[in-house]
Amino acid sequence: EDKVVQSPLSLVVHEGDTVTLNCSYEVTNFRSLLWYKQEKKAPTFLFMLTSSGIEKKSGRLSSILDKKELFSILNITATQTGDSAVYLCAVVRGSGSGGSNYKLTFGKGTLLTVNP
Amino acid sequence: GAGVSQTPSNKVTEKGKYVELRCDPISGHTALYWYRQSLGQGPEFLIYFQGTGAADDSGLPNDRFFAVRPEGSVSTLKIQRTERGDSAVYLCASSLTWRGVNTGELFFGEGSRLTVL
Repeated sequence: EDKVVQSPLSLVVHEGDTVTLNCSYEVTNFRSLLWYKQEKKAPTFLFMLTSSGIEKKSGRLSSILDKKELFSILNITATQTGDSAVYLCAVVRGSGSGGSNYKLTFGKGTLLTVNP
Repeated sequence: GAGVSQTPSNKVTEKGKYVELRCDPISGHTALYWYRQSLGQGPEFLIYFQGTGAADDSGLPNDRFFAVRPEGSVSTLKIQRTERGDSAVYLCASSLTWRGVNTGELFFGEGSRLTVL
């Protein structure tokens, strides 16, 4: 069974701090890892990572994948109160034999609170 | 519409009642998914449609749950004889497929919060 573990489960910081969120996984026939931000109900897509060592960047957010050690990190620099949300990590299997290239397995998420 | 639309946004029902939750995916997205998210948990896969057919319903918890997508667009998740444990946010998502392979990026709706009293 595929498994995704996120840490920490919750984090409280002050505006301007830099945070690192962690995601480790165990999945058969790994295809990709995705990060989502969930502020109220709808998770919104942040990044999709398929290759090790290649950083994806969007503004103050960046993410990188390590397929050898089976983990990913999401960095947020110069945090703002609008970054407060649950950050979800999910993995997708490849479409090889027994693969389910459509089914995301999510972690429990990291609740980030950014105080002014 | 521009995004995935789900109705109702909130549904309160009594134990034993029947409920239907509707999802209208992004136009042109052939893949549609239902996930269920309980408090403090990540979304859990329920069912996946490719076009009109349920390609994978392995996440449906039991036979009280059923979903349809008769014309390959709007989908309805149906829950019979609701139980208190069914209380959760039911999220619908859609995505593009390319040569039959999911692109991986799911676009989620706002969800339907179901409360069973």
